[in-house]
Amino acid sequence: TQLLEQSPQFLSIQEGENLTVYCNSSSVFSSLQWYRQEPGEGPVLLVTVVTGGEVKKLKRLTFQFGDARKDSSLHITAAQPGDTGLYLCAGETSGTYKYIFGTGTRLKVLA
Amino acid sequence: NAGVTQTPKFQVLKTGQSMTLQCAQDMNHNSMYWYRQDPGMGLRLIYYSASEGTTDKGEVPNGYNVSRLNKREFSLRLESAAPSQTSVYFCASTQGAKETQYFGPGTRLLVL
Repeated sequence: TQLLEQSPQFLSIQEGENLTVYCNSSSVFSSLQWYRQEPGEGPVLLVTVVTGGEVKKLKRLTFQFGDARKDSSLHITAAQPGDTGLYLCAGETSGTYKYIFGTGTRLKVLA
Repeated sequence: NAGVTQTPKFQVLKTGQSMTLQCAQDMNHNSMYWYRQDPGMGLRLIYYSASEGTTDKGEVPNGYNVSRLNKREFSLRLESAAPSQTSVYFCASTQGAKETQYFGPGTRLLVL
C-alpha cells in the first residue's frame, strides 16, 4: 500500500514567519502535486513537480521534489493570514492515472 | 464554464439505504475520480476511471460501486449505507497524468 506522510500535521505561526511542510513516502512517484483546500471547498492545485531534484517557485512558495522522487517539501516565506488552509500533497505512479493523497497539514497564520 | 458539478450537496441516509452520487464535468477530461475526506484528514481514493469505458479500484473501494456513464459523467453508488461511510465525497477530473485535477464542491453525507 502506498502511503504519503505529511509533517507536521498542524502548524500555527505568526504572520511573517517562515515554514516548511514535508511529504514523504517509500514509493517512487512520476509526479507530485501540492494542493491547498479552504473549508467547505475542494482542493485547488498549487503546483506539479515531475523531475527529481526539481525546484519550483510560486511567489512566496517554494516546492522541491526529492532526487529519488519519493519526497517533497513546500516552503513558505513570510507567511500571511491568507496562506491559512489545509495543504495536501498527492503522488501519481507512472502510467496508472491513480493519485494518492497525503495525510494533510493544517496551517493557521495569525495576524 | 461550470467545471465539475456534484449532486446532491447534502444528504442524510439511514443505515441500509442506498443512494447514488452524481458527478459531471464539462472540460472534456479523460480521467475522473471519486475521493472521500473524513474530518481533518486528507483524501482517500475510492474509485477512478482513467478513460471512458474503464474503472478501477482505489484505496477504499469496499461498499461502493461506480459507473462511467459517458465521458462527462461518473457516478458513485452506495448500495447499503453504513455509518462508517459518513464523510465528504469529492469528484475530480483531469485531462491526463501529471495534469491538474479539478475538484467539485463536494457532497456531505451523513449516515445514521
